Amino acid sequence: RKEVEQDPGPFNVPEGATVAFNCTYSNSASQSFFWYRQDCRKEPKLLMSVYSSGNEDGRFTAQLNRASQYISLLIRDSKLSDSATYLCVVNIGHTDKLIFGTGTRLQVFP
Amino acid sequence: GAGVSQSPSNKVTEKGKDVELRCDPISGHTALYWYRQSLGQGLEFLIYFQGNSAPDKSGLPSDRFSAERTGGSVSTLTIQRTQQEDSAVYLCASSLGRGRFGQPQHFGDGTRLSIL
Repeated sequence: RKEVEQDPGPFNVPEGATVAFNCTYSNSASQSFFWYRQDCRKEPKLLMSVYSSGNEDGRFTAQLNRASQYISLLIRDSKLSDSATYLCVVNIGHTDKLIFGTGTRLQVFP
Repeated sequence: GAGVSQSPSNKVTEKGKDVELRCDPISGHTALYWYRQSLGQGLEFLIYFQGNSAPDKSGLPSDRFSAERTGGSVSTLTIQRTQQEDSAVYLCASSLGRGRFGQPQHFGDGTRLSIL
């Protein structure tokens, strides 16, 4: 089983739609969770950290379910500029090593 | 500098040559990471440093790859006797690396390596 697994997509959604991505992780000792965004031929950029109680940043909401070992990202009112690959990132146990999922591609169309 | 700086941004070299890639992390960041990304693929972890030591070298693909970090700052990734399959974007990231495990990482723009 991969340490971090994501549905590769692509998710093709119209502007204004709500879309959700899930990610599962295998290491139950993981403590830190993030969503990154990567545009084509660019470096990954931190989108948001994921906290145990769930957190929201504008149109983006992240949730963590430790019991089931999954993380979700919800994007409301999708914009064309949201088109990118979204990477789920989890630390490995009690270390600073982060493992990146292979990403979920989102394409928002007019 | 304000962000992670990598050089060169592009490198084209002939098969069999050695290459050296450089990463200058964000000031004050103790953890430094190297990744590799081939076209259309995910990030492949290579190695990470905590200070000058490398707790995890498990991702280095072969003994042709090595990395060092001196003074807790700049790191160099060296690839000896390059092969065509080494062609990829090499990304460096840094994080605070203190306190709570798994601080968010900040990436440089990467070095695009092409082996002819």
